[in-house]
Amino acid sequence: GENVEQHPSTLSVQEGDSAVIKCTYSDSASNYFPWYKQELGKRPQLIIDIRSNVGEKKDQRIAVTLNKTAKHFSLHITETQPEDSAVYFCATNTGGYQKVTFGTGTKLQVIP
Amino acid sequence: DGGITQSPKYLFRKEGQNVTLSCEQNLNHDAMYWYRQDPGQGLRLIYYSQIVNDFQKGDIAEGYSVSREKKESFPLTVTSAQKNPTAFYLCASSKSGHIGDGYTFGSGTRLTVV
Repeated sequence: GENVEQHPSTLSVQEGDSAVIKCTYSDSASNYFPWYKQELGKRPQLIIDIRSNVGEKKDQRIAVTLNKTAKHFSLHITETQPEDSAVYFCATNTGGYQKVTFGTGTKLQVIP
Repeated sequence: DGGITQSPKYLFRKEGQNVTLSCEQNLNHDAMYWYRQDPGQGLRLIYYSQIVNDFQKGDIAEGYSVSREKKESFPLTVTSAQKNPTAFYLCASSKSGHIGDGYTFGSGTRLTVV
C-alpha cells in the first residue's frame, strides 16, 4: 500500500518566520495531495490541496509544492502567527480513488 | 456542528465487550470513512464506504466492523477481537469517492478500555 512519510515531527518557529513541512510518498499513481490542520482538541480541517497536474498552489500565507518525479510535496506557511500552532497532516490518495493515506503529522509551535 | 456528528465523545469499555461508535452526517455525502488516531502514528484508515450498502476494509480493519444501511449513517463496532482498542476515533465524509473531494471530519470519540 501507500507509504507517506512526514518530516519534521515537531517544528518551532518565531512568529513572523516561515515554516516548511515535507512529505514523501511511494505510490506513483497518487494524484491528489491534501493538507489538514488539527488544532488542539479539535477535528482535522482541510486547509489546502493540490492535484498532480499542478506544481504549486497558493492560498494567502499557505502554499503547497509538488515534485512528482521525486515523489515529494511540501507545505509552506509564511509570516507565521500564533494561531497557526497546530498539528498538520499531509495525505495522498491510493491509486485512483479518494481514499487517502495520512502522514504521521507535524506539531507546529509558533512562538510569539 | 459541521454537519457530521460523532457520539459519544468519550466511551469506556470493559475488556471483552463490543462497543459501537456512532457517526451521522447531514451533508448528503456519498462516501464515509473511519480513522483511528494514535499519538505519533497519524490517522490510519479502518473502513470506508463509497455508497450505501457497500464498504471496504482499510489498512487496520481487524477487530472492527461497520455497516452502511443509510446514506447518513456509518456506525463502527469495536469488537473484543481488537487487541488494543484504546484510541481516538475519527469519522469523516466526502461528497463522493472521487479525487479532489476533501474530507469533513467529525469531532471524534475517545475510547478507553478499562
